[in-house]
Amino acid sequence: NAGVTQTPKFRVLKTGQSMTLLCAQDMNHEYMYWYRQDPGMGLRLIHYSVGEGTTAKGEVPDGYNVSRLKKQNFLLGLESAAPSQTSVYFCASSLGLYNEQFFGPGTRLTVL
Amino acid sequence: AQKITQTQPGMFVQEKEAVTLDCTYDTSDQSYGLFWYKQPSSGEMIFLIYQGSYDEQNATEGRYSLNFQKARKSANLVISASQLGDSAMYFCAMREGAHYGGSQGNLIFGKGTKLSVKP
Repeated sequence: NAGVTQTPKFRVLKTGQSMTLLCAQDMNHEYMYWYRQDPGMGLRLIHYSVGEGTTAKGEVPDGYNVSRLKKQNFLLGLESAAPSQTSVYFCASSLGLYNEQFFGPGTRLTVL
Repeated sequence: AQKITQTQPGMFVQEKEAVTLDCTYDTSDQSYGLFWYKQPSSGEMIFLIYQGSYDEQNATEGRYSLNFQKARKSANLVISASQLGDSAMYFCAMREGAHYGGSQGNLIFGKGTKLSVKP
């Protein structure tokens, strides 16, 4: 099993450009999450999904959109990137509400 | 107010000694879970240990144990017999109970403690 994978691993964008980060899990997990990690801030939740076709906002959702068209995939979109979105993005998944979350390797995004 | 507080930005420990990483939390829920994750310099997040709010015994996983003091709202991680490979950032996280229109099990993270193991 690959667990949780993320593509791409690195990306550099110019202000105003758009992009989509892909998260895939092969563990048949219902719950999926997108976090961002900034220096000295720990991880903060952007959006999450409790099942195929459902999404919800987390702590810092502004400037991001998500979709969960397939159970195994969770996409994070930036429609118009800003330098404040420079961060490391982690995807995670869990079997259920009370289970540990498994994390992907992260995507390092720089917005110039 | 912060829901997860890790008061030690950085710590040093001698190889083979034990070390305690502090974590205090704030919640009004009766049902919640506490997690510890390790993040080495390579960047991945590695799950270490979990403690449920109703668990009467402290969780243990190999060299990791969680010192859970519910009344004090603390969930300290104890690493016994430290190894050089334990050098990493350690994050405490809390999962509150599910609320209608609110939390659905997402984790709230502390800011982390950087542990350095000296040979």
